[in-house]
Amino acid sequence: NAGVTQTPKFQVLKTGQSMTLQCAQDMNHNSMYWYRQDPGMGLRLIYYSASEGTTDKGEVPNGYNVSRLNKREFSLRLESAAPSQTSVYFCASSVRTGSTADEQYFGPGTRLTVT
Amino acid sequence: AQSVSQHNHHVILSEAASLELGCNYSYGGTVNLFWYVQYPGQHLQLLLKYFSGDPLVKGIKGFEAEFIKSKFSFNLRKPSVQWSDTAEYFCAVNGNQGGKLIFGQGTELSVKP
Repeated sequence: NAGVTQTPKFQVLKTGQSMTLQCAQDMNHNSMYWYRQDPGMGLRLIYYSASEGTTDKGEVPNGYNVSRLNKREFSLRLESAAPSQTSVYFCASSVRTGSTADEQYFGPGTRLTVT
Repeated sequence: AQSVSQHNHHVILSEAASLELGCNYSYGGTVNLFWYVQYPGQHLQLLLKYFSGDPLVKGIKGFEAEFIKSKFSFNLRKPSVQWSDTAEYFCAVNGNQGGKLIFGQGTELSVKP
């Protein structure tokens, strides 16, 4: 049981390049989330998927797109990377759809630098 | 909109000192509250959570937190810290946002041996 896995662990992009961050969970969870972590700002929600087939914007969605490929996988795409997207990206999952009570389980993160 | 505020950005303690990290939230309805910890180079892990019932919640590694509804607070405490508690600590709240968590800014704890 690997929990939540993310690839890649590190990435350096040039401004304007695109890339996709991959996330998978093997806990049969319904909900999945993408966050970015910046110093002094905590974690901010980019997009989430309450259940397979649905996605919704979070607090900071601009410049990102997501795909809930199936119940296990939730990818985050940067179409045209900008230096402001330099951050650490975390994927998370929780078991029940829309439940306020469930804890979230986090992946190890992807450290992205945009030059 | 909900928000979470952690007033201490960086706390430095010696081993065996007592710890209290502040967390205040803004939301008038029923809330669920969480403390997560992020050890250096690792992902976030749940320390403890409050849903209902006893407002004093005990978590892993000797941590506890007290929910005080009248003060909109959920402070984290540990009677005696260890060097291995060096980490960043995040308070989070989930009110009417479905499964979405709102995180505080984080508090970096450094424990000197």
